[in-house]
Amino acid sequence: EDKVVQSPLSLVVHEGDTVTLNCSYEVTNFRSLLWYKQEKKAPTFLFMLTSSGIEKKSGRLSSILDKKELFSILNITATQTGDSAIYLCVHNSGTYKYIFGTGTRLKVLA
Amino acid sequence: NAGVTQTPKFQVLKTGQSMTLQCAQDMNHEYMSWYRQDPGMGLRLIHYSVGAGITDQGEVPNGYNVSRSTTEDFPLRLLSAAPSQTSVYFCASGGVGEKLFFGSGTQLSVL
Repeated sequence: EDKVVQSPLSLVVHEGDTVTLNCSYEVTNFRSLLWYKQEKKAPTFLFMLTSSGIEKKSGRLSSILDKKELFSILNITATQTGDSAIYLCVHNSGTYKYIFGTGTRLKVLA
Repeated sequence: NAGVTQTPKFQVLKTGQSMTLQCAQDMNHEYMSWYRQDPGMGLRLIHYSVGAGITDQGEVPNGYNVSRSTTEDFPLRLLSAAPSQTSVYFCASGGVGEKLFFGSGTQLSVL
């Protein structure tokens, strides 16, 4: 059975810290790994990582994919209180099947 | 540029009542789905559809019905609400192998 496991489940840091969120996956047919940020409402898209795009960066956020070791990390540098959210890792097999991790809840203290 | 529109945002029901959560998308996506989100359990798939007239069950389908008469709309029906259905519900749509776009969510309480 395909699965996506995120760690840690929750994390509390202070503004300015750097955080690394982990996502490991066991799937039968890898196609892409997606990262979402969920604040109070709907998840919003951050990155999609595929075999042809194993590293993404946007401002203070960056993500890499290690297909050999079957994991991805989401890195946030110089954290701000606005980064407080649940971060979701999702695998897509290239069809309509999406497997969600349970998420990492990040709280950034001022 | 509406994206995925989901209504209502909040709903309180009594046990045994029925209701329909509405979901509409204007991106011509074939795939539409309903998830529920409970603390510590992540997003769980209730039902999904890969086109008009085609629906299938997800991980937690019991107590819910869906239909897909048009590409745009994918309503979720609670037939006889139970307290176990208290949750936050999200509608999502996407293309094949593409990212999902989510509605703003419905917070449902069943008393």
